[in-house]
Amino acid sequence: SQTIHQWPATLVQPVGSPLSLECTVEGTSNPNLYWYRQAAGRGLQLLFYSVGIGQISSEVPQNLSASRPQDRQFILSSKKLLLSDSGFYLCAWSSGVSKPQHFGDGTRLSIL
Amino acid sequence: SQQGEEDPQALSIQEGENATMNCSYKTSINNLQWYRQNSGRGLVHLILIRSNEREKHSGRLRVTLDTSKKSSSLLITASRAADTASYFCATVTGANSKLTFGKGITLSVRP
Repeated sequence: SQTIHQWPATLVQPVGSPLSLECTVEGTSNPNLYWYRQAAGRGLQLLFYSVGIGQISSEVPQNLSASRPQDRQFILSSKKLLLSDSGFYLCAWSSGVSKPQHFGDGTRLSIL
Repeated sequence: SQQGEEDPQALSIQEGENATMNCSYKTSINNLQWYRQNSGRGLVHLILIRSNEREKHSGRLRVTLDTSKKSSSLLITASRAADTASYFCATVTGANSKLTFGKGITLSVRP
């Protein structure tokens, strides 16, 4: 069966520090991968999605970036975090566009 | 802009009662999906209904879709305290088939 791992679960970072969040999927090949941010009490905002290695689409302008160095690995990065980057970050995968998405347990990011 | 909007924003019911949650959307869809999120966790896919379907069932869940009214409803029958969570509708639209989530409904089921 397929599983998705996302870490760390919680992260507290100072303003201006770098960020690297990692997500890996097991049990499937060539998944579509997604990064979302969820503000408190709000819906999900799609940040990036990828349909293949090295293929990244950005949905919103921001100081975050994403990379897909391997088929089942998706990384969310920032060179310098802002206070507004605080939130709950979720990684997800699907077997194709319009298909159900399967989510990791998220990373709670707090910027001080 | 928000494609799917759920109604009500919050719902509190007694265990054993049915819970009905509604979702309205603005543009034509390929399919509509409902997800559940327990506090502090990731979302879990519940059910997908295609634009040419009117009703689907999964266990205690019943989803309807009315494309003429651009609306969907999620019914949870015989609710349990464990059903307490946030529920999101998400629509798939357009050629690129992106999933757009609503803001969610907070369901509280009192034991």
